[in-house]
Amino acid sequence: AQSVTQLGSHVSVSEGALVLLRCNYSSSVPPYLFWYVQYPNQGLQLLLKYTSAATLVKGINGFEAEFKKSETSFHLTKPSAHMSDAAEYFCAVILSASKIIFGSGTRLSIRP
Amino acid sequence: NAGVTQTPKFQVLKTGQSMTLQCAQDMNHNSMYWYRQDPGMGLRLIYYSASEGTTDKGEVPNGYNVSRLNKREFSLRLESAAPSQTSVYFCASSTWTALGYNEQFFGPGTRLTVL
Repeated sequence: AQSVTQLGSHVSVSEGALVLLRCNYSSSVPPYLFWYVQYPNQGLQLLLKYTSAATLVKGINGFEAEFKKSETSFHLTKPSAHMSDAAEYFCAVILSASKIIFGSGTRLSIRP
Repeated sequence: NAGVTQTPKFQVLKTGQSMTLQCAQDMNHNSMYWYRQDPGMGLRLIYYSASEGTTDKGEVPNGYNVSRLNKREFSLRLESAAPSQTSVYFCASSTWTALGYNEQFFGPGTRLTVL
């Protein structure tokens, strides 16, 4: 079955440190891959998306993700964490109009 | 544009009570969705509507019904609430882009507690 795995339900980094949130997918076809961010008590907001145009995708707020087919990964990174980045992040695989699989989410905490 | 709106924001029910969660979008999207979010489980699709007049079951439809009232509105009904339905419910709408993928826009959520 197709799935999305996010390693680490909680990641904590210091302000200014590198952020790395991991996402691996299993899919028999090249997928469309998204990262969503959810701030406390809000809905999900699209952070960035991979649609096969380029393997390195830049999103909002300085985040980027690299699609690596050989590793079936789509990890999210940001060079320097900011306090405002504290949120929950979801990786998702878009397989069709009705088939969207979300990972279980990674909560990012930022230490002052 | 308001995007996707949901009412109510919070609700507490007793077991066996019924209620309807309302969702509306003003982006002229054809497709609309209801998800539930539970800790450590991501989002799970309850029902979706690919277009006005059609609805289909998602991953976890038991205990829910939906109505696509018109292109803008998609409601979710709990006929007899159970504690297992305590969750955060999100409505989303989407459109297929010219590149051939489905980008979803989410509402702010409804936090439902069933006692």
